[in-house]
Amino acid sequence: IQMTQSPSTLSASVGDRVTITCRASQSISSWLAWYQQKPGKAPNLLIYTASNLKSGVPSRFSGSGSGTDFTLTISSLQPDDFATYYCQHYSSSPYTFGQGTKLEIK
Amino acid sequence: EVQLVESGGGLVQPGRSLRLSCAASGFTFDDYAMHWVRQVPGRGLEWVSGISWNSRSIGYADSVKGRFTISRDNAKSSLYLQMNSLRAEDTALYFCAKGQGGTLAEADYWGQGTLVTVSS
Repeated sequence: IQMTQSPSTLSASVGDRVTITCRASQSISSWLAWYQQKPGKAPNLLIYTASNLKSGVPSRFSGSGSGTDFTLTISSLQPDDFATYYCQHYSSSPYTFGQGTKLEIK
Repeated sequence: EVQLVESGGGLVQPGRSLRLSCAASGFTFDDYAMHWVRQVPGRGLEWVSGISWNSRSIGYADSVKGRFTISRDNAKSSLYLQMNSLRAEDTALYFCAKGQGGTLAEADYWGQGTLVTVSS
């Protein structure tokens, strides 16, 4: 199963609402996670099962979708949110990641 | 506090073997699935392998199938990755990650990684 994220790079400002899209090459039901990674750090889990927010993750993050099309939305960008975001499916092995979306400051 | 500490990385020649280890603490290791994920510096994440809490469910990326073997020792709270027939394209930072549950799914805690360099 191939995972395709768009866009690859996104420029936005503090306070903006942003959406990142992840598309699976076949249906993965809701078996999708979103991760945030900052330079030189390990990834952090944000969302699992497409729309469930991991405990401790700010509520400005939300996920939606099922089947093949998924979105990660940040309702109001904060300075700490500028990072790279990855989706990953876990429908069936191998559990591939998307190529990543780098969120940059405009 | 969940801690995952990888070790065993280093410089190795193509065709040789290396065994990575991940020492886990701060949680009941034998209740959770575990994963290995790698990342070439400056590039994206690649899921390498995962193992369920009881080792009955194991998966591998196509790029490593037949060369890498994942295993765990629940008594030692440790995860392993035996890497054979290493190639230059296996060069990456290898992360150990804890599953959020006992079956293969999302990973909620990650180590800081151990660097593997395959070069002559």
